[in-house]
Amino acid sequence: GAVVSQHPSWVICKSGTSVKIECRSLDFQATTMFWYRQFPKQSLMLMATSNEGSKATYEQGVEKDKFLINHASLTLSTLTVTSAHPEDSSFYICSARDFSGTADTQYFGPGTRLTVL
Amino acid sequence: KQEVTQIPAALSVPEGENLVLNCSFTDSAIYNLQWFRQDPGKGLTSLLLIQSSQREQTSGRLNASLDKSSGRSTLYIAASQPGDSATYLCAVFPGYSSASKIIFGSGTRLSIRP
Repeated sequence: GAVVSQHPSWVICKSGTSVKIECRSLDFQATTMFWYRQFPKQSLMLMATSNEGSKATYEQGVEKDKFLINHASLTLSTLTVTSAHPEDSSFYICSARDFSGTADTQYFGPGTRLTVL
Repeated sequence: KQEVTQIPAALSVPEGENLVLNCSFTDSAIYNLQWFRQDPGKGLTSLLLIQSSQREQTSGRLNASLDKSSGRSTLYIAASQPGDSATYLCAVFPGYSSASKIIFGSGTRLSIRP
């Protein structure tokens, strides 16, 4: 099956710094990617939809200036957490949508654990 | 607005038992439904995907059923093993369009006691 990778798998940073997380679809082109965050013992919360070549669509309550999304190519989307604070510590998961032919399937990355000190 | 509910939120059973996890959704107009497994601190592993035209899918000891008219899906795990311990999430694709967003249930945390 299709594979989606995320890098880094975990990151620890100081408060006030910015952190970039990459999401790549390895064997298919994804015009749409999604970014989720997950707090302990909770389900995934959709943060934003990343569209190749256009601006991301953010869910209500998600600050677009804090969580910068860039979908530079059909296989890469990046999420930058700007001026990170401890409350941004979470598990961030991306997914890439294979929307081709008769299929409509999302493949999920392994996640990135962000800890802000 | 589509809502996905999973019951129970947590389940603990002894090894060897057969068990059923439940998922319900409020809008029956779905494209497909998918069951995932998530181990602590890990990403999602897709278990089974059921297209809206299908009624069930099987993989090994897992069987997932779908009843669109009643807005329900079940995940049946046969002969449970300690390695099955994880959180199980069901997710619904509302429709076949570029604007569709997958909607997750809150998950069932499963613990299999040796």
